[in-house]
This record gives sequence, C-alpha cells and structure tokens, in this order.
Amino acid sequence: GAVVSQHPSWVICKSGTSVKIECRSLDFQATTMFWYRQFPKQSLMLMATSNEGSKATYEQGVEKDKFLINHASLTLSTLTVTSAHPEDSSFYICSASRLAGLYEQYFGPGTRLTVT
Amino acid sequence: AQKITQTQPGMFVQEKEAVTLDCTYDTSDQSYGLFWYKQPSSGEMIFLIYQGSYDEQNATEGRYSLNFQKARKSANLVISASQLGDSAMYFCAMSRHSGGSNYKLTFGKGTLLTVNP
Repeated sequence: GAVVSQHPSWVICKSGTSVKIECRSLDFQATTMFWYRQFPKQSLMLMATSNEGSKATYEQGVEKDKFLINHASLTLSTLTVTSAHPEDSSFYICSASRLAGLYEQYFGPGTRLTVT
Repeated sequence: AQKITQTQPGMFVQEKEAVTLDCTYDTSDQSYGLFWYKQPSSGEMIFLIYQGSYDEQNATEGRYSLNFQKARKSANLVISASQLGDSAMYFCAMSRHSGGSNYKLTFGKGTLLTVNP
C-alpha cells in the first residue's frame, strides 16, 4: 500500500512553454502533498506543501507564479512550470502524506524535466 | 533552524561487510523524526528506516539499523552484510513541524555508497 505515481516520468519542452506534472496517490487519500526539486548530484529541496482544497505554501525563494501547484482532490496534485527556461531543468519529485504527523510521507518516482 | 549534516560524500564497502553512514542533526524541537532514504540511479526515493525522537530503542529494519544517540544528535545508518544492490545515494532526513498539522522533511546532502564485489 501507499503508492504514489507521477506522470510523466520524463518530459522535454521548449523554452517559454509550460509543462504540467501530475502526482497521484493510488491507494490512499493524501491530506498533504509535497513537491521537491533535485539538481544532479544534489539533495532534495522542498519547493512547496499543498493541502487538499487550499492554496499551496511555498518555501522561501520559490516563485509561486512560476511553479503553480493545484491540489484539487485527495488523490491528485499538479505542478505546472510556467514559461519554462533551461535553468528549470531538473528532477521533480512529489510525496504524499495520508496522516498529519512525523512519519507518513511516500514518494513518487520523480519526473525529469529538460527545457531546451 | 533545522539542519542535517552528512559528512561523507562517498563511501566504499566490500560486499558482505557492514558499513556505517554518518548523520548529525541540529534542531531545537523536542519532538521530531529521523529518516533514511535510499535513492538508486533510477531516482526513486526508497524509505529505509525511521526513528522517533522519543523512541528509546534503536530502530531496525532487516539489514538496516539506526544508531540513535540523542545527546550527540546523531542518527547513523548501519547496513549489515552489504549487497551489490545497496550501491546508491543515501539521504538522512528529519521531519519537523511547520505549523498547523503540517510536517516537512529536511534532507542532508547525501552519501554515495559503492559496494565492491
């Protein structure tokens, strides 16, 4: 149990276009979803936290107008990278929590974004 | 502010031997959780083990054990009987309360483990 999927697993887009990444909890309802960004050979950096039905909370330094997060249901959150540029190329990973607490956080397989 | 420090960028171990990956943390919270994740080259984050700050016994999960020394603020991962499939990046992380019912994970920089045959 507690499976999280991401779609697409990889995407290539042209500079200036927008791309949407989906994160789904397949067998549980996720009260909270998290979006991380990981550059090559670096650690995961939290971008934002989203709770179903409310606005996402962004970490300091993350542009909320560039990285649009929607958590419309208890099983789906989306991250839209708007007007993507080559520096947005990265590995984006989502995770989901089904309970409020210190323990539960399940990760998706990640999405590799390349902006040309 | 919470901080996780992993001082070993890379580690090598012979197959079937044990290896310890270091992790120290800094927090002013009384209640927190400590995690270890494995990230193979495919990129997925694989949960290995969890230790709560109030847990008196060290956590164990199969070949993984967490050496928790609260006074020293360390949470080292011990992998026994290393296997070739253990070669991966390993991240130590700490869960922290971020307001309301939200908790966030802070990750260390990771340790790249290579298991040699």
